[in-house]
Amino acid sequence: ETGVTQSPTHLIKTRGQQVTLRCSSQSGHNTVSWYQQALGQGPQFIFQYYREEENGRGNFPPRFSGLQFPNYSSELNVNALELDDSALYLCASSSKRDSGNTIYFGEGSWLTVV
Amino acid sequence: QQQVKQSPQSLIVQKGGISIINCAYENTAFDYFPWYQQFPGKGPALLIAIRPDVSEKKEGRFTISFNKSAKQFSLHIMDSQPGDSATYFCAASRDFGNEKLTFGTGTRLTIIP
Repeated sequence: ETGVTQSPTHLIKTRGQQVTLRCSSQSGHNTVSWYQQALGQGPQFIFQYYREEENGRGNFPPRFSGLQFPNYSSELNVNALELDDSALYLCASSSKRDSGNTIYFGEGSWLTVV
Repeated sequence: QQQVKQSPQSLIVQKGGISIINCAYENTAFDYFPWYQQFPGKGPALLIAIRPDVSEKKEGRFTISFNKSAKQFSLHIMDSQPGDSATYFCAASRDFGNEKLTFGTGTRLTIIP
C-alpha cells in the first residue's frame, strides 16, 4: 500500500471527449507526477507538479494538462481524446524533502477510448 | 539519449533459480536507478534502487549490480519463487531528487515449479 490513490479505476470515453483523472498523493508528499503506460510498455512521463506549479513535461501535446491543489492532490485532464490515448494512467508521488528519490505509484486509472 | 534499454523481454526461471534482468542507459547524467515490480492490473511498486556511488546493493533476495563505466545495471533475484512472477521495469532519472523517471520496456518474469 503506497498511500497514493487514484480515481476512477476504469473508464470508457468516446473519441473527441474530455477526461479528468484524479490523484491523492501520499501524506507529506509535495510532488506529483503523471505517467502514461500503454499495454505492454513501460510508463512514459507526462508531467510533474511541485507546489502547484508544473515542473517539467514529457513529450505529450498540450491537450494533456494538469493541476495540483494546495493539499498536493492532482488532476490530469486530457482533451480531444484519441484512440491512442487508451492506456493506464499512473500517478506518482514523492517528496523533494526526502534524502532519497523514492517514488510511489498509485494503482492507476485505466482509460479506454472508443 | 534518454533511452533505457532492458533485456530480456521475457524470462522463464525454475523455482529456486536465479533470475537476471539487465538494463543499459546512455545518459551519463542519470544518477538514480530503481527497479519496479508490476503485477497485472496494478501500479508499479518500488523494489530496490541504487545510486552510482556503489557497485552493488542487496535487499533480501534482490540485488542490483551497477557498472558505471559500462553504463549497465542489473537485477538479480535469488531463490526465485512463483510469487515473483510479474513484470519488472528498470528506470533511471537525471539529477538526484528529480522524479522524472525514464523506464525500460519491461521484462515479464515467469517462475515455474
